[in-house]
Formats: sequence, C-alpha cells, structure tokens
Amino acid sequence: DPKIIQKPKYLVAVTGSEKILICEQYLGHNAMYWYRQSAKKPLEFMFSYSYQKLMDNQTASSRFQPQSSKKNHLDLQITALKPDDSATYFCASSQPRGQNTLYFGAGTRLSVL
Amino acid sequence: GQQVQQSPASLVLQEGENAELQCNFSTSLNSMQWFYQRPGGSLVSLFYNPSGTKHSGRLTSTTVIKERRSSLHISSSQTTDSGTYLCALEEVGDNSKLIWGLGTSLVVNP
Repeated sequence: DPKIIQKPKYLVAVTGSEKILICEQYLGHNAMYWYRQSAKKPLEFMFSYSYQKLMDNQTASSRFQPQSSKKNHLDLQITALKPDDSATYFCASSQPRGQNTLYFGAGTRLSVL
Repeated sequence: GQQVQQSPASLVLQEGENAELQCNFSTSLNSMQWFYQRPGGSLVSLFYNPSGTKHSGRLTSTTVIKERRSSLHISSSQTTDSGTYLCALEEVGDNSKLIWGLGTSLVVNP
C-alpha cells in the first residue's frame, strides 16, 4: 500500500486556470516537502513544512501556495497556470531531524496547455 | 555551476555485468542520499550515506567527503535494475532540502 498518496496522478489544465495537487502521508512523519521535476532538469526543491509550519520556500512565484490543513496533509495550490509549469510534482516526507531519509509519493504529472 | 554532477549520464549493460555510478559535489556535505527512479516516475530511497560504505544486497554506496564524491556500485545487474539513479545531497547548515543531480539512466539488457 502506498504510504504517501498524491492525487491526481495526471492533470491537464488550460493556461490561466487554477489547480490543487493533493498529498497525504501515512508514515507518521512531521516534515513534508514539495519537489518539481521538469524535463532535462534536476529535481527542484520547492517547499518544506515541519509540524505544519513553513520552514523553507525556494519557489520565486507566489502562484505556488502550499496548504496544510492537517499534520499529514500538504497540498499545493497553483494559480494562473502557465505552460512552463508543466512538470511532475512530487510530494515527500521525512522525520525533521536525524537521518531524514526522504520518502516520495508517486507524483502528479501536470500538463498546462 | 551545478553543485551535484552525476556520471555517466547513461549506461547500457548486459545482464550480469557490474556498474559504477558516480556523484561529485562542489559544496560542503551534511548527507548524501541515493535514489532509484522507476521508469514510471516514482522514487525509492536506496541509501542514506553521509560517509563511508554501506551495503544493501547487490548495491554498495561509498561516500568520501574529503574527495567530494559518492559512488553507487551495482553488482550482477538484472533487467529490473533498469531506471534512473539519482544522488542528492544535503548541505551543511541546511537540512530542509536536498540538491539533486541529473541522474544516470541505466538500461540492463537480457
């Protein structure tokens, strides 16, 4: 059974629209993250949360807003979508200290037309 | 420039051959992790290896901090090893995020 659930698996959106990417983890971790993987580029760190508080934000655009309604949830709202936002978005979790091996969800593949 | 460089970019093996994947980094290291990315895209942690050598089945990871490199050795490769191998480092003083290489794409033919 997957311990980090991302929904949807695939998402097609039109330019200018808004979408929410869902992430729930059932590993009991207190730290959650969003990463983005675009073609020909390394995985890119976007956000980290610890105990539902924003710890680090490396995303320049305010169009990307993480939302944590529960300890094991970290959704990603993207507004005013652009074709350049097309990528696979991965949610991950870990314990916030010590050997913080990262565990990943299966990703949401977003295509913006 | 890129802080984490992986080599080779791609590798093709015959089943049973060994492989050595390299990861070189240009920044001070707190930890190094190796991941396997399946052809479908999901990522699986292979090793958390800040220094020294670790073994897991046919896989061996060696990190030498003073030489700023880490390697992943795959012995007796199998077709199911095909996929992309990624290394990622956590910088000293910043344990909130990982910095990733571009990966080594491995194909193991039967």
